[in-house]
Amino acid sequence: EVQLVESGGGLVQPGGSLRLSCAGSGFTLTDHYMDWVRQAPGKGLEWVGRIRNKANGSTTVYDASVRDRFSISRDDSYNSLYLQMTSLRIEDTAVYYCARVGRGYTFDIWGQGTMVTVSS
Amino acid sequence: DIQLTQSPSSLSASIGDRVTITCRASQGISKSLAWFQQKPGEAPKSLIYGASNLQSGVPTKFSGSGSGTDFSLTISSLQPEDFATYYCQQSKSYPITFGGGTKVEI
Repeated sequence: EVQLVESGGGLVQPGGSLRLSCAGSGFTLTDHYMDWVRQAPGKGLEWVGRIRNKANGSTTVYDASVRDRFSISRDDSYNSLYLQMTSLRIEDTAVYYCARVGRGYTFDIWGQGTMVTVSS
Repeated sequence: DIQLTQSPSSLSASIGDRVTITCRASQGISKSLAWFQQKPGEAPKSLIYGASNLQSGVPTKFSGSGSGTDFSLTISSLQPEDFATYYCQQSKSYPITFGGGTKVEI
């Protein structure tokens, strides 16, 4: 079964750091573009960033709101995706989803999400 | 950035109703539009890609249409499991953006 499972969420103080993980099964992450999308409590969906597949150099692109603070990486040996978050702000509080990019360059598989709360 | 405006933001409907949600892009995006369904406490689920293509396993009561700046999602006969929030999303250019959502309620 094709599946994504996130982990690593929790409570962190403003200015702190956190690393989220997304483990893939049933497919090879490196063959696909992989994204992070977040959703603040009671709000809509917001794109965070992308890592392209290995064939396209595994390059990354980010939304302006997280550029220079967040970093996406992959560990092919663990078939896992990561989101390193630094200088966290209260407005980064959200459920964070990893998602696979499929046909039409849009998301076909989503993880269940992991909650990040930034609060003092 | 490309802005996506969904309308209505919420609607009330009954079982068996035909429902249409619209999504307007602030500039032309060809057919680079997708639709997602999200139920409370759950991850989004992909319904449509490329404006009108059904994702694998999605029932044919869902259909999408449009190109350029105006798009729509139609549910042909609303069932209890269809009550949810629906989002459009563009993949034409970065940053990827979503519409504000349409909540479909009884």
